[in-house]
Amino acid sequence: DADVTQTPRNRITKTGKRIMLECSQTKGHDRMYWYRQDPGLGLQLIYYSFDVKDINKGEISDGYSVSRQAQAKFSLSLESAIPNQTALYFCATSHRDNEQFFGPGTRLTVL
Amino acid sequence: QKEVEQNSGPLSVPEGAIASLNCTYSDRVSQSFFWYRQYSGKSPELIMSIYSNGDKEDGRFTAQLNKASQYVSLLIRDSQPSDSATYLCAVSDYKLSFGAGTTVTVRA
Repeated sequence: DADVTQTPRNRITKTGKRIMLECSQTKGHDRMYWYRQDPGLGLQLIYYSFDVKDINKGEISDGYSVSRQAQAKFSLSLESAIPNQTALYFCATSHRDNEQFFGPGTRLTVL
Repeated sequence: QKEVEQNSGPLSVPEGAIASLNCTYSDRVSQSFFWYRQYSGKSPELIMSIYSNGDKEDGRFTAQLNKASQYVSLLIRDSQPSDSATYLCAVSDYKLSFGAGTTVTVRA
């Protein structure tokens, strides 16, 4: 059973469309994160949340928003998708020790 | 902005050899250090965490940390073709910063 799940796994959309990526976890972790990864590059932090009432911007939050609906759910939205948001998106969770565990990823293509 | 630098790859090693991966970081307040393995198209998988100076061994993997030099390394002993992947160094104070990764290829 997957501890961190992401939906959808693949998505192709058009410029200007609103997109939501969802993340759920059964690990019981308080902390959740959203990253993007571009080919040949490392992971860039978009947003992170240390509990349901705590949301923080990461390195590259422009053009993105998030919602922490519950301890186990953290969603990422692209309000108006643009082609340079084409990337692989990962959700991750951790306890306070910061050992992060990643979901399987969502491959997003914006045409 | 914390910077995490990894030795440029790709790194090619013969099966059975030792693969040595290096990582330096810019922020002296970092407290936790991690190595992740990522196969192509897959999500990063935590393989090692280290919090204090010295060596930490787990199977064929050894992580080494030197906070004074702001340096952390990963050794993979008896490299196997299944070790062929990209290895990401991550450094944390209250959130993780990742290096760009080093791609390792183990040739049979």
